[in-house]
Amino acid sequence: GAGVSQSPSNKVTEKGKDVELRCDPISGHTALYWYRQSLGQGLEFLIYFQGNSAPDKSGLPSDRFSAERTGGSVSTLTIQRTQQEDSAVYLCASSLWTGGTYGYTFGSGTRLTVV
Amino acid sequence: AQTVTQSQPEMSVQEAETVTLSCTYDTSESNYYLFWYKQPPSRQMILVIRQEAYKQQNATENRFSVNFQKAAKSFSLKISDSQLGDTAMYFCAFMKHELNRDDKIIFGKGTRLHILP
Repeated sequence: GAGVSQSPSNKVTEKGKDVELRCDPISGHTALYWYRQSLGQGLEFLIYFQGNSAPDKSGLPSDRFSAERTGGSVSTLTIQRTQQEDSAVYLCASSLWTGGTYGYTFGSGTRLTVV
Repeated sequence: AQTVTQSQPEMSVQEAETVTLSCTYDTSESNYYLFWYKQPPSRQMILVIRQEAYKQQNATENRFSVNFQKAAKSFSLKISDSQLGDTAMYFCAFMKHELNRDDKIIFGKGTRLHILP
């Protein structure tokens, strides 16, 4: 597609439930990133996928968080047993394998609210 | 580890005025990229301007320009002739340069900019 697509745009879930957030990157982009933006805060890096390399999971805050990228394209971020502190906007971005020439292209994010 | 600091949480300026947003960073890397991203209420992150650390010349994109001071590790954004549509959160960001691939971008906490009519 023309841009990075994320779904759903908003999600309300009960504490303790699992949620899945989806990211559809720009076609041909080899790198995909997940960030979390809590209210009034900057973007916190979570995980990134680069081609066929092992993902960099160094930003995942706990083992309740996981992500996968199927077929080098669509990615799903899963949060198990959600907690209220997981409430945030989750942003996905993708980029070409170009060494920083263009930065990232971001999606519009998923606003997750845990009640 | 790299860090990015934006010391101005919020700023307001009258339409048509010039405003400067501050950013400092800390790194031991010699080769890297710096960015300013804009996030309007729509949540969409938009790349405003980028600077390659090995280039001494300051980047410029229309009304947006940067003052890159490598020795001081400072990277400020100047918006000239500000417009109402410039109202947004602005993030300064750092990315280490790696050959043939993008590394993860490290973001500051942002400056909320209000352009007043």
